[in-house]
Amino acid sequence: DAGVIQSPRHEVTEMGQEVTLRCKPISGHNSLFWYRQTMMRGLELLIYFNNNVPIDDSGMPEDRFSAKMPNASFSTLKIQPSEPRDSAVYFCASTQGRGNLEQYFGPGTRLTVT
Amino acid sequence: DQQVKQNSPSLSVQEGRISILNCDYTNSMFDYFLWYKKYPAEGPTFLISISSIKDKNEDGRFTVFLNKSAKHLSLHIVPSQPGDSAVYFCAASATTDGLTFGKGTHLIIQP
Repeated sequence: DAGVIQSPRHEVTEMGQEVTLRCKPISGHNSLFWYRQTMMRGLELLIYFNNNVPIDDSGMPEDRFSAKMPNASFSTLKIQPSEPRDSAVYFCASTQGRGNLEQYFGPGTRLTVT
Repeated sequence: DQQVKQNSPSLSVQEGRISILNCDYTNSMFDYFLWYKKYPAEGPTFLISISSIKDKNEDGRFTVFLNKSAKHLSLHIVPSQPGDSAVYFCAASATTDGLTFGKGTHLIIQP
């Protein structure tokens, strides 16, 4: 199995631009999570999907952030407009079933907003 | 407000000795705890977990201890090996869904 796939691995953009991060979960996994890692706040859960439906988006920092899961094999996290404080590593994770806390993480996307 | 705290940003241990990583939590509703390990440029990988109904769980060289009254858990690695050098995250859950992570401890195994 290829594991959780994220793209791009690195993204550098200017303030105000739209950024789209992509994630392909492990085949057969029906729960998908987006996390953000910063030095100040560590790893934070942004949003969680189960069977393609958003279950908990209370971690999404503000309206500039949106996430979609149009099908079981693809999810996007969009930031529009981006700001320098959005610079972080964004991780996607997936797991089988709901209530399974042993999540499989992708390699992350390092986002730099200048 | 950090609900899961790892107060040691880094820890250096000699190869062959025991590594002890600590984690404190404040939310008494947490009932499941996990440790994840992370190498540079990779995502975290699951290492070991423990339910609040237990006070110890062991898997090979890794043992997690839970002290509910003190809201404290620890990960013991014995003997420590060079490949154990990584960042270790403590995580906790109060529901069946989301995880709350600590900020991590960078473990360095000295030869």
